[in-house]
Amino acid sequence: NAGVMQNPRHLVRRRGQEARLRCSPMKGHSHVYWYRQLPEEGLKFMVYLQKENIIDESGMPKERFSAEFPKEGPSILRIQQVVRGDSAAYFCASSPALEDSPLHFGNGTRLTVT
Amino acid sequence: GDSVTQMEGPVTLSEEAFLTINCTYTATGYPSLFWYVQYPGEGLQLLLKATKADDKGSNKGFEATYRKETTSFHLEKGSVQVSDSAVYFCARQRTDYKLSFGAGTTVTVRA
Repeated sequence: NAGVMQNPRHLVRRRGQEARLRCSPMKGHSHVYWYRQLPEEGLKFMVYLQKENIIDESGMPKERFSAEFPKEGPSILRIQQVVRGDSAAYFCASSPALEDSPLHFGNGTRLTVT
Repeated sequence: GDSVTQMEGPVTLSEEAFLTINCTYTATGYPSLFWYVQYPGEGLQLLLKATKADDKGSNKGFEATYRKETTSFHLEKGSVQVSDSAVYFCARQRTDYKLSFGAGTTVTVRA
């Protein structure tokens, strides 16, 4: 039973380019969460999605960031016109239900903006 | 707002030493509490959890007890190994499903 799969593991982008981060949840999980870990900090919630729906995006920056979880395929976190401050580790997690279900995390994508 | 505060690191120990990482939370209601561990270059793994007051979570020799009266969930291990070197995150799950994480505590165990 594969865990949460994220790719790529490492992503380098120049300022102004676009970054696309992918996440495939665990089998049977329909809830996906994205978290960001800045250097020397804990994880911060970004967005919560279910299939074809954004449930809560209160942690997403207002501009340049978007997320989707289509009916088919992985969840995508998209960052347009990246800046150096976007450099971080981005973690995806999934769960089968809401209450008391621990989140299962992927290994993360480490984005470096040069 | 809801938050989690954990002991600042880094913590450096010798093998077989006793480890404690303090964690306290602010709470409305009765959140579920978790400890996650992040090994170098990897994502977070659930280490243990407790869902109600006085519950004790345990795994791999680690323990933590949900203390409602002190709003704490301290992590302990009686005899650490080099393989326990990692970053440890305390977290609470709010009633609206979000996880709030502490800043993480880096633990290094030397042989």
